[in-house]
Amino acid sequence: DGGITQSPKYLFRKEGQNVTLSCEQNLNHDAMYWYRQDPGQGLRLIYYSQIVNDFQKGDIAEGYSVSREKKESFPLTVTSAQKNPTAFYLCASTDQNLYNEQFFGPGTRLTVL
Amino acid sequence: DQQVKQNSPSLSVQEGRISILNCDYTNSMFDYFLWYKKYPAEGPTFLISISSIKDKNEDGRFTVFLNKSAKHLSLHIVPSQPGDSAVYFCAASPNTGNQFYFGTGTSLTVIP
Repeated sequence: DGGITQSPKYLFRKEGQNVTLSCEQNLNHDAMYWYRQDPGQGLRLIYYSQIVNDFQKGDIAEGYSVSREKKESFPLTVTSAQKNPTAFYLCASTDQNLYNEQFFGPGTRLTVL
Repeated sequence: DQQVKQNSPSLSVQEGRISILNCDYTNSMFDYFLWYKKYPAEGPTFLISISSIKDKNEDGRFTVFLNKSAKHLSLHIVPSQPGDSAVYFCAASPNTGNQFYFGTGTSLTVIP
């Protein structure tokens, strides 16, 4: 089955610790994205990558870092510099052709205690 | 600055009636528009899209209308079913690349 997997579904961390969220896709998509969703807000773009070994900051990149060493994988690290890390994190991917929708993973709920 | 806006945070509709969800955008470079449906604690799923060369796209019970001059699009669901109850996000993409801009969502409740 083709799709996007995010693990784990729920993640708890202590304040001050870095944490890495996993995102893997087997859709052979070039572009991958990380969004954050907070209650009452839309999806806000954290980082995106259109090709391996390249990525760009989105609207709210501060306190986050990413890597894109493989086409299938786009892990997101939430660092201790992120002031409000508790949120629902969504990974997505899309074909590089125009007029294609994004496919989303199931999301990871991160709670920082 | 929010480039895609959904001004109604919630909407309640009786089963069988029409649901109309609205979306406004500000960037004239947007030329591809999408609607996603989202259940709590899950990722959004793609519903329907429209490119700027069209003003209407229909898929079963779902129709999206685009008014480019007003920078407005709407999603019509008819007839509405209880299983349609979810949060609906409008998204837009410019003709320059693969970035997507999302609205804040409208929570639809279809009352049986």
